[in-house]
Amino acid sequence: SSELTQDPAVSVALGQTVRITCQGDSLRTYYASWYQQKPGQAPVLVIYAKNNRPSGIPDRFSGSSSGNTASLTITGAQAEDEADYYCNSRDSSGNHVLFGGGTKLTVL
Amino acid sequence: EVQLLESGGGLVQPGGSLRLSCAASGFTFSSYAMSWVRQAPGKGLEWVSAISGSGGSTYYADSVKGRFTISRDNSKNTLYLQMNSLRAEDTAVYYCAKSPFYGDYTKPPPSFDYWGQGTLVTVSS
Repeated sequence: SSELTQDPAVSVALGQTVRITCQGDSLRTYYASWYQQKPGQAPVLVIYAKNNRPSGIPDRFSGSSSGNTASLTITGAQAEDEADYYCNSRDSSGNHVLFGGGTKLTVL
Repeated sequence: EVQLLESGGGLVQPGGSLRLSCAASGFTFSSYAMSWVRQAPGKGLEWVSAISGSGGSTYYADSVKGRFTISRDNSKNTLYLQMNSLRAEDTAVYYCAKSPFYGDYTKPPPSFDYWGQGTLVTVSS
């Protein structure tokens, strides 16, 4: 398959835990990365190579994977975490890169 | 501090051409693969193209293959995207992005740890 599928929107109460998922056949072979994008800004990498956080990313962000599904978990969501989140990975051929359609996270 | 600064965007007519540049600093440019990622207004991210650190390997999305050419000048720490036969659907903010993985690989980088601020390309008559 040449697609990564994400739920369009997810909401979480302030301080609670939320999981954002990404599904695709290529995730059985390749790790997902996750990006946070706020309005008018460039994306920011929050998780790569399954569960590695770049420096400066809070440890409340974590990644996991099982079968054809990758997940981004935010433990104790903060107001500043409200943003669009995108997953990405290589496609099944390994010669192209895919992005999921994005998930809009609302922190209530 | 890693910095990526895109330039070259603007308004172009359908069928026209444009060359984007991305000036990089703060890291050993030739040691990292680089990519272009675009975002149409109000839409999600779309990978466009990637190039290995040496420039010896290039990769393209099917939507731009044969029309766009990615290249790099490691002596100038600059990444390029030559865009020909532009279409309305190419209208987007174009970001250059750096791979977090050191060295040359035989496949396009699957992650992007630094992004530029983006340059807007508008294809319209």
